[in-house]
Amino acid sequence: GAGVSQSPSNKVTEKGKDVELRCDPISGHTALYWYRQRLGQGLEFLIYFQGNSAPDKSGLPSDRFSAERTGESVSTLTIQRTQQEDSAVYLCASSLPILGAGELFFGEGSRLTVL
Amino acid sequence: TQLLEQSPQFLSIQEGENLTVYCNSSSVFSSLQWYRQEPGEGPVLLVTVVTGGEVKKLKRLTFQFGDARKDSSLHITAAQPGDTGLYLCAVHYNTDKLIFGTGTRLQVFP
Repeated sequence: GAGVSQSPSNKVTEKGKDVELRCDPISGHTALYWYRQRLGQGLEFLIYFQGNSAPDKSGLPSDRFSAERTGESVSTLTIQRTQQEDSAVYLCASSLPILGAGELFFGEGSRLTVL
Repeated sequence: TQLLEQSPQFLSIQEGENLTVYCNSSSVFSSLQWYRQEPGEGPVLLVTVVTGGEVKKLKRLTFQFGDARKDSSLHITAAQPGDTGLYLCAVHYNTDKLIFGTGTRLQVFP
């Protein structure tokens, strides 16, 4: 497809289980972002990948959160030992490498519910 | 401490009214973006402003970047129910990651 694709769109899991969320960015977009959005809240930055540079992981809330990106394509966000406070929509976005003013294109998000 | 503070946090108005929302920071930025997010979707870019004092218009929406490039406003004239959504300002920061403001949730009633 032409847009950013995220899967699964919905995930319900039990506390303590691990989850993986996947993002397929727009082809040719070297920048990829993950954000967390709790119900009724704004977007909380998690991690940023830009080409072959070391990712900016400064937004990851704990060591239970990690993300990987294969080259300039698919990214996976992993949450280990999920907690109820991890319940949120996880949004992925990609952009062209336009320094300082690039437009982000978002997927529809993965809604995570931890019971 | 939030890098970008938006106000008001919530706004409920009737169709046809005018409104202004604000995005403020103590830091100076080379550019600032405004996004709108509708329920169940990801945010969509409305505009990018890059010059201090710049004014951009998008139909009934008017965006202004502060002279000192620390703040911005979004004014909507004659609001419509289709304007309902979460309005977010955002800036590229440090490593060029995009950081979003706290958001203004707008509800326009028919």
